[in-house]
Amino acid sequence: EADIYQTPRYLVIGTGKKITLECSQTMGHDKMYWYQQDPGMELHLIHYSYGVNSTEKGDLSSESTVSRIRTEHFPLTLESARPSHTSQYLCASSGTTPNSPLHFGNGTRLTVT
Amino acid sequence: DQQVKQNSPSLSVQEGRISILNCDYTNSMFDYFLWYKKYPAEGPTFLISISSIKDKNEDGRFTVFLNKSAKHLSLHIVPSQPGDSAVYFCAASDGSARQLTFGSGTQLTVLP
Repeated sequence: EADIYQTPRYLVIGTGKKITLECSQTMGHDKMYWYQQDPGMELHLIHYSYGVNSTEKGDLSSESTVSRIRTEHFPLTLESARPSHTSQYLCASSGTTPNSPLHFGNGTRLTVT
Repeated sequence: DQQVKQNSPSLSVQEGRISILNCDYTNSMFDYFLWYKKYPAEGPTFLISISSIKDKNEDGRFTVFLNKSAKHLSLHIVPSQPGDSAVYFCAASDGSARQLTFGSGTQLTVLP
């Protein structure tokens, strides 16, 4: 069974604070992704990585940044949180086999006040 | 411009009956399609997929149909069970980018 963990599950934070959303997977997957989703809306890809030291921006412009120093770890950072960043952030990983499905974590629900 | 559309935000069916969830796409380069199920406070989980070389794929109670000429796919669940109540997302990818494009989801409620 897929093991991908996101912390924290819920975060309420004030404007201007720096935050890091953690994502770790134990499957040895090279590919990892961050999606952003608002209620009733589609999932939007904001960052992805195909391996260590490789990161790319997704389709949806985001002020967040990511790093991939270790295969299993793909944290997302917001240097200065704003209310517009309030959303659910979903981390996922997949294998290298073509059309490998994404395995998602349980997400972080971020609220910026 | 939304390339993957799920026009029904919600659907209610009686337990034991068939649930049909629909998805339309506009990008003719999409060649692989997936359905994900999402419970509240959890991440989406993969349900079933289909390649564009097929028009049907079945896995237990779940069947996905693909109509390439109409750029339409559907997910059939039969018989529906209360535990199937969740949000269902349709997703598609093309051969070059291999990034998934998601629809906005359909909330399925199966009534006991």
